[in-house]
Amino acid sequence: EPEVTQTPSHQVTQMGQEVILRCVPISNHLYFYWYRQILGQKVEFLVSFYNNEISEKSEIFDDQFSVERPDGSNFTLKIRSTKLEDSAMYFCASSDLAGIYNEQFFGPGTRLTVL
Amino acid sequence: AQSVTQPDIHITVSEGASLELRCNYSYGATPYLFWYVQSPGQGLQLLLKYFSGDTLVQGIKGFEAEFKRSQSSFNLRKPSVHWSDAAEYFCAVASNAGNNRKLIWGLGTSLAVNP
Repeated sequence: EPEVTQTPSHQVTQMGQEVILRCVPISNHLYFYWYRQILGQKVEFLVSFYNNEISEKSEIFDDQFSVERPDGSNFTLKIRSTKLEDSAMYFCASSDLAGIYNEQFFGPGTRLTVL
Repeated sequence: AQSVTQPDIHITVSEGASLELRCNYSYGATPYLFWYVQSPGQGLQLLLKYFSGDTLVQGIKGFEAEFKRSQSSFNLRKPSVHWSDAAEYFCAVASNAGNNRKLIWGLGTSLAVNP
């Protein structure tokens, strides 16, 4: 069964460093999402991406964040200069049609720890 | 603003007992509602969803949920819990803003199952 994969499963970095979280969505999907969950808090929407551009982004997704689909299979989230409060579990998701009418398939997450 | 509340942070049930996980939402129009499950080390898997029609929806793994507009609730139920159901359960509502239907999440309910 096709699935969304994410690497690495756990990333530890120093404050101020750049990190890139990688996701491989399901191959025929067209819509891609990043969510995050800070420990003990709700899962929060970060950004959605379609047709090689951002469709929607939340207030969290400031200039420190960027997303890219560098090739036909990967979907990446970059944090330019990490802060302590960026420590969270980051989930990638994909769907074959926009959101509500079709299931968003989630990856296992990347746990980011900023020291 | 749209929001989801899961009043129970942690629930413990005995194997074979019935289960009900509560979810309340705040939404101005017809909501699109979801339940996801996350097992340790796994991604978020869709259990079931409600868009319209029959207010009792069936999902995978023997779960069902009932949409009650008058109570703004979408509670998840299972008649007989199995040890493998121990996991984190998330209720979510799809935003109707924008072209991509981002999900707005509850805090989650952690389910433990006693043998």
